[in-house]
Amino acid sequence: GAVVSQHPSRVICKSGTSVKIECRSLDFQATTMFWYRQFPKQSLMLMATSNEGSKATYEQGVEKDKFLINHASLTLSTLTVTSAHPEDSSFYICSAGSNMNTEAFFGQGTRLTVV
Amino acid sequence: QKEVEQNSGPLSVPEGAIASLNCTYSDRVSQSFFWYRQYSGKSPELIMSIYSNGDKEDGRFTAQLNKASQYVSLLIRDSQPSDSATYLCAVIKNNYKLTFGKGTLLTVNP
Repeated sequence: GAVVSQHPSRVICKSGTSVKIECRSLDFQATTMFWYRQFPKQSLMLMATSNEGSKATYEQGVEKDKFLINHASLTLSTLTVTSAHPEDSSFYICSAGSNMNTEAFFGQGTRLTVV
Repeated sequence: QKEVEQNSGPLSVPEGAIASLNCTYSDRVSQSFFWYRQYSGKSPELIMSIYSNGDKEDGRFTAQLNKASQYVSLLIRDSQPSDSATYLCAVIKNNYKLTFGKGTLLTVNP
């Protein structure tokens, strides 16, 4: 399958700071990227959908001013968690799809811990 | 009714047995169906995709889709301890937007 690279894999930050997570499609052009969050022992919850060159679409209950998404190119999307709080600690996962395939491929995930 | 429903388990089977994982979905316009495997602390990985009614086999895995019953299943033959993971059923209606079930925890006992 296609390769999606997510970085960093783990990050610890102080409360009130911002953290940026990158998601790259390495061998295909990702017109659409998705950002998920997963709390322990729960399923993946879609946070937002981003299309290259346009604003992200956020799911209900997700604060767009807190979770900033940028999809400036066909191979890169970033998620910035602004003014992080301990309750933002979670596993964040991106996935990417292209016009060539119907399935989406996942990045490795980022374990965020806010202390 | 949730969009994608799975029995959360845990489902426990002995090594060598067949593990059967089930999933139902609510939206009849759903087009594509996937099974992902997720190990603890890791990202999901795609196991099987199925798009039309019937069975699709890939090695020890068989996916079954019945659109009339809005049901998709995954059979794992000759289960191995390394198959122990959470199995996520996912459905796409359009635009690659996956909707996931809560996952079924499978434990294969040696």
